[in-house]
Amino acid sequence: QVQLQESGPGLVKPSETLSLTCTVSGDSINRNNFYWGWVRQPPGKGPEWIGSIFYSGSTYYKASLKSRVAISVDRSKNQFSLRVNSVTAADTAVYFCMGGAAIDAFDIWGQGTMVTVSS
Amino acid sequence: QSALTQPASVSGSPRQSITISCTGTSSDVGGYDYVSWYQQHPGKAPKLIIYEVSNRPSGVSNRFSGSKSGNTASLTISGLQAEDEADYYCSSYTTTSTPVVFGGGTRLSVL
Repeated sequence: QVQLQESGPGLVKPSETLSLTCTVSGDSINRNNFYWGWVRQPPGKGPEWIGSIFYSGSTYYKASLKSRVAISVDRSKNQFSLRVNSVTAADTAVYFCMGGAAIDAFDIWGQGTMVTVSS
Repeated sequence: QSALTQPASVSGSPRQSITISCTGTSSDVGGYDYVSWYQQHPGKAPKLIIYEVSNRPSGVSNRFSGSKSGNTASLTISGLQAEDEADYYCSSYTTTSTPVVFGGGTRLSVL
């Protein structure tokens, strides 16, 4: 059974970079025709898709975040990562890593990690 | 404002059926059969319950069903149970500059 686990700092200062890692266990991150990605959910609000990376390495991002976001894969560690630059309080949210066989259907989720942007 | 529109809340009694709508445009819901539905209990990650409009992942109860007509997708839950009380979100592939969008969510109360 595939499991995902997010890790990273829970507190980030405004204007700095948010960095999170998702460790994949129970399967290879090189799984054919599979998408890995990130969704965030501000407190009390609905999920927001941030972006995804295809097994081939192609990346897809939410347009309004594209200039600040990068998703990458470390195949040697079976991990993928999220970086969000120049964060503000609006980036405060629970961040989930997820995976699925389609870019729009995610059947594997991490438990989520709360990230607060505050000085 | 979310790209997909859902009612803020719906309610039903045990054993009844309810339907949650998800309205988009021809660039998302209406254009492709790539609509998914998620169930989320408080403090938990979302769980995929419907993909490609009407398909259920393995292990999801057949009390959950999905459909689509034009730019509106629907999730129907039959034989309501107390454990169905949760937030429900739709999502869709889109041909805009953002490939995936979520709805604002619907809180289901089982009275």
